[in-house]
Amino acid sequence: GAVVSQHPSRVICKSGTSVKIECRSLDFQATTMFWYRQFPKQSLMLMATSNEGSKATYEQGVEKDKFLINHASLTLSTLTVTSAHPEDSSFYICSARAGEGRETQYFGPGTRLLVL
Amino acid sequence: GQNIDQPTEMTATEGAIVQINCTYQTSGFNGLFWYQQHAGEAPTFLSYNVLDGLEEKGRFSSFLSRSKGYSYLLLKELQMKDSASYLCAVTDSNYQLIWGAGTKLIIKP
Repeated sequence: GAVVSQHPSRVICKSGTSVKIECRSLDFQATTMFWYRQFPKQSLMLMATSNEGSKATYEQGVEKDKFLINHASLTLSTLTVTSAHPEDSSFYICSARAGEGRETQYFGPGTRLLVL
Repeated sequence: GQNIDQPTEMTATEGAIVQINCTYQTSGFNGLFWYQQHAGEAPTFLSYNVLDGLEEKGRFSSFLSRSKGYSYLLLKELQMKDSASYLCAVTDSNYQLIWGAGTKLIIKP
């Protein structure tokens, strides 16, 4: 149980284009989903927290107009990187949590984004 | 402020035992997680402690002392595939997950 999928696993795009990443909880309902970014050899960095049906809460320094998050259902959240630039190239990982607080976060396999 | 400390890197020998420590200072406490992350992959859940004591799960065990703000992850009978980063994370009073920077474990034959 507790499987989270992400799609695509890898994407290469041109600078200026937008990229959408999907995160799905396959066998449980995720009331909360999290989006992380990780640069090579660096720690996980939380970008935003999203609760189903409400606006995402962004961490300080993360541009909400650039990283659009939609959590339309209890099993799907999407992250859209708008007008991507080479500095946005990174490993984007989502996680999902079934309940409040003590529930474990389960991670998707990640999406590697390369912006040329 | 909120802080989680764990060693940056550790080296151990195949077949041996290694203990990875984690100390934390957070506003409240609602549980501590350990995750394993292999290079280039997403983290995978290893253990969860909310009460003091030792939780054993196969070759891996996790210990918690809430009064000391301290946890450790114990890995026994080390295998080469255990080479990875081990992340300690604490849920605070607002149920926010605070992450440590991770400990890179290198296993040598």
